[in-house]
Amino acid sequence: SAVISQKPSRDICQRGTSLTIQCQVDSQVTMMFWYRQQPGQSLTLIATANQGSEATYESGFVIDKFPISRPNLTFSTLTVSNLSPEDSSIYLCSVQQGLYGYTFGSGTRLTVV
Amino acid sequence: QKEVEQNSGPLSVPEGAIASLNCTYSDRGSQSFFWYRQYSGKSPELIMSIYSNGDKEDGRFTAQLNKASQYVSLLIRDSQPSDSATYLCAVTGGSSNTGKLIFGQGTTLQVKP
Repeated sequence: SAVISQKPSRDICQRGTSLTIQCQVDSQVTMMFWYRQQPGQSLTLIATANQGSEATYESGFVIDKFPISRPNLTFSTLTVSNLSPEDSSIYLCSVQQGLYGYTFGSGTRLTVV
Repeated sequence: QKEVEQNSGPLSVPEGAIASLNCTYSDRGSQSFFWYRQYSGKSPELIMSIYSNGDKEDGRFTAQLNKASQYVSLLIRDSQPSDSATYLCAVTGGSSNTGKLIFGQGTTLQVKP
């Protein structure tokens, strides 16, 4: 199955700033997915990122707050903008791997102070 | 109604017992079903996938799918303390068929020595 390298693994950010999270996959994939996992909660899909097109956002998530780039078939970034303490969560990227199901990156633990 | 529902637990079983985890989903067009295990502070790890009605066994794990009842379950035989984790049911391939993976809220399993 694919190997996903996600960076940074954790960060502490000031209110009002932004954090950009990177995911690099060791093989070409059509779709990449970005999830948020709030403390004690399950995973909530933020958006689906296809190469060469705008990301598709789920209800409750907007591009101004969570801009996504997908410049090629192995890489994507998620930016969490204008940070507030409510954005403190774990953010994960994921790719679909056919029979292997969906593989996840190791996650980025964001703390906003 | 949530798209994927699980009992959040915690489900507590003694070591060596069978743990039974259940999940229901709302989109009758769903096609692929997954069980992930997530240890605290870690990203989800795929343990079972199932695509057709019936049972699928892999070692101590058995996944059961009943599409007519929109029900998926996971049985863990000979439960070990190392099985203590949160188990996430996830579903994809619904009516919109966008490939996105939707998670239930997860069931926390505690296996007591």
